[in-house]
Amino acid sequence: SQELEQSPQSLIVQEGKNLTINCTSSKTLYGLYWYKQKYGEGLIFLMMLQKGGEEKSHEKITAKLDEKKQQSSLHITASQPSHAGIYLCGADGGGSEKLVFGKGTKLTVNP
Amino acid sequence: DAGVTQSPTHLIKTRGQQVTLRCSPKSGHDTVSWYQQALGQGPQFIFQYYEEEERQRGNFPDRFSGHQFPNYSSELNVNALLLGDSALYLCASSYRVYEQYFGPGTRLTVT
Repeated sequence: SQELEQSPQSLIVQEGKNLTINCTSSKTLYGLYWYKQKYGEGLIFLMMLQKGGEEKSHEKITAKLDEKKQQSSLHITASQPSHAGIYLCGADGGGSEKLVFGKGTKLTVNP
Repeated sequence: DAGVTQSPTHLIKTRGQQVTLRCSPKSGHDTVSWYQQALGQGPQFIFQYYEEEERQRGNFPDRFSGHQFPNYSSELNVNALLLGDSALYLCASSYRVYEQYFGPGTRLTVT
């Protein structure tokens, strides 16, 4: 079965700093999702990547999919306290199938 | 446009009891998936419903069952509750093969 490993597990940065979160899959990535979760709450959809080399941006968050490396990265530019939370990557088999998730990366942004 | 809604928000049950959780999908969505998220872990797929039928199932015992209604809303039932069933239960909806949107979750505590 597919497994996703996220790194780092937790991250503490100063406001204004850039940061990167990685998600590595044990199998070929077809669809890769990034979600943000506030503690104990639901998941907020950030981005979905489907093609190798695809890159998407939303405000100050950019995600890339490296199909060959079976890896995706999430980059936040000029971090703000509002970026704090748990970032989860999820992968599916290419359709609206079950998602397999990583354990998440906890991001803390200090003002 | 209302997103995915779940009820109740919190629930406390005793071991051996039964529980029903409810989910209303985002408008225009026809597929509902349920996930269990233990503390500090990523969500684990329970099952998915489409056209009122269970389309996929994760590695969960038969104590976990579900239903989808003609209006696409869904229920998750858990029988003979165990302490280990304490978790955040998340519902996600999608339209066919497109991205899944999650609800705020139901926090279930089993004592």
